[in-house]
Amino acid sequence: DGGITQSPKYLFRKEGQNVTLSCEQNLNHDAMYWYRQDPGQGLRLIYYSQIVNDFQKGDIAEGYSVSREKKESFPLTVTSAQKNPTAFYLCASSMRGSTGELFFGEGSRLTVL
Amino acid sequence: EDQVTQSPEALRLQEGESSSLNCSYTVSGLRGLFWYRQDPGKGPEFLFTLYSAGEEKEKERLKATLTKKESFLHITAPKPEDSATYLCAVQANTDKLIFGTGTRLQVFP
Repeated sequence: DGGITQSPKYLFRKEGQNVTLSCEQNLNHDAMYWYRQDPGQGLRLIYYSQIVNDFQKGDIAEGYSVSREKKESFPLTVTSAQKNPTAFYLCASSMRGSTGELFFGEGSRLTVL
Repeated sequence: EDQVTQSPEALRLQEGESSSLNCSYTVSGLRGLFWYRQDPGKGPEFLFTLYSAGEEKEKERLKATLTKKESFLHITAPKPEDSATYLCAVQANTDKLIFGTGTRLQVFP
């Protein structure tokens, strides 16, 4: 079955540590996205990529980094520069030209201790 | 400023009690309005796309409608398995997708 796989589902991190969240899709979608979800707020876009080896900052990119070396993969690194990293992180993908019809992964919940 | 507001924040219904969820928006040039369903601890699941005022889409007990200022998600004779958070998102002519904060629906048997 086609879909998006995020890992790990739960992750704990000490302050000052970087952590990388994995996102893999087998839908053959060109575009991939990372969103952050916090209680009482709408989903906020961190980074997106429309094509391999290219990506753009979203609304809240500070303290995060990404790479897009393969069409199927779009990992997100939460760096120690991110001031409030505890959140639910969602990876999504879409077909070219259908940027509102997103397919989401199951999410990764990051807790900073 | 582009904005999406969903109401109510939470809604409790008895099984079979029909109701509507609202998504009002102010954006510069609407390119599309999207409804998603999100179960606790999971990623959102795409439901509908609406492009122009007057358009309607249906899926099982759900029907989405669109006017120039808002969209409604009508739930007819809901069942407990319809319990979830329903998210609305609007795409402006900048291609930016703006999400509302969602309506948490609980349906009791």
